[in-house]
Amino acid sequence: GESVGLHLPTLSVQEGDNSIINCAYSNSASDYFIWYKQESGKGPQFIIDIRSNMDKRQGQRVTVLLNKTVKHLSLQIAATQPGDSAVYFCAENGDNTGGFKTIFGAGTRLFVKA
Amino acid sequence: EPEVTQTPSHQVTQMGQEVILRCVPISNHLYFYWYRQILGQKVEFLVSFYNNEISEKSEIFDDQFSVERPDGSNFTLKIRSTKLEDSAMYFCASTTSGPLREKLFFGSGTQLSVL
Repeated sequence: GESVGLHLPTLSVQEGDNSIINCAYSNSASDYFIWYKQESGKGPQFIIDIRSNMDKRQGQRVTVLLNKTVKHLSLQIAATQPGDSAVYFCAENGDNTGGFKTIFGAGTRLFVKA
Repeated sequence: EPEVTQTPSHQVTQMGQEVILRCVPISNHLYFYWYRQILGQKVEFLVSFYNNEISEKSEIFDDQFSVERPDGSNFTLKIRSTKLEDSAMYFCASTTSGPLREKLFFGSGTQLSVL
């Protein structure tokens, strides 16, 4: 069925360390994945995306890795800063979703300790 | 930078009352969406809208819900008779050319509290 979920509900890291947030998806036909960041009191904000024909994509301080074999997605944040504290959602979109919608996972709350 | 705007930011209503949540999508976007997020939970799809009609809706979007684009800029979500379980943050979003393989641009949401 359609489901996108996360392994850990919370993650606490020291400022300056790297953060890794994980996500599992169940639909092997999914072909487009997105990470969103949600700060308190705001709507989700796009961070980075990746298509299923790639296994890695890099942005500014962020990297998304896709392992289609085990249906796993991760977001790596380099040199985590206090401003990175937020809830991070992975999301799935593509032809296989059966319609015009993006499906969100449960979210991981990232705490950055100074 | 263009953004999606939502009003009001907070709405308190009595159970059984009608509410209308308002959104102004990004001006050159063609597809519009409503999502909701119950406190501490994930963001759930409600409905997508294109060319003045619903493209898809979830099982949450029952007969109590409706959407409308009353003019060239606004996109509204109406809940006819609110229930306690409708209490949530409601997000409007838009995309440029379609819902497939497109990143969503979200507004800051309307916090709906049903008493």
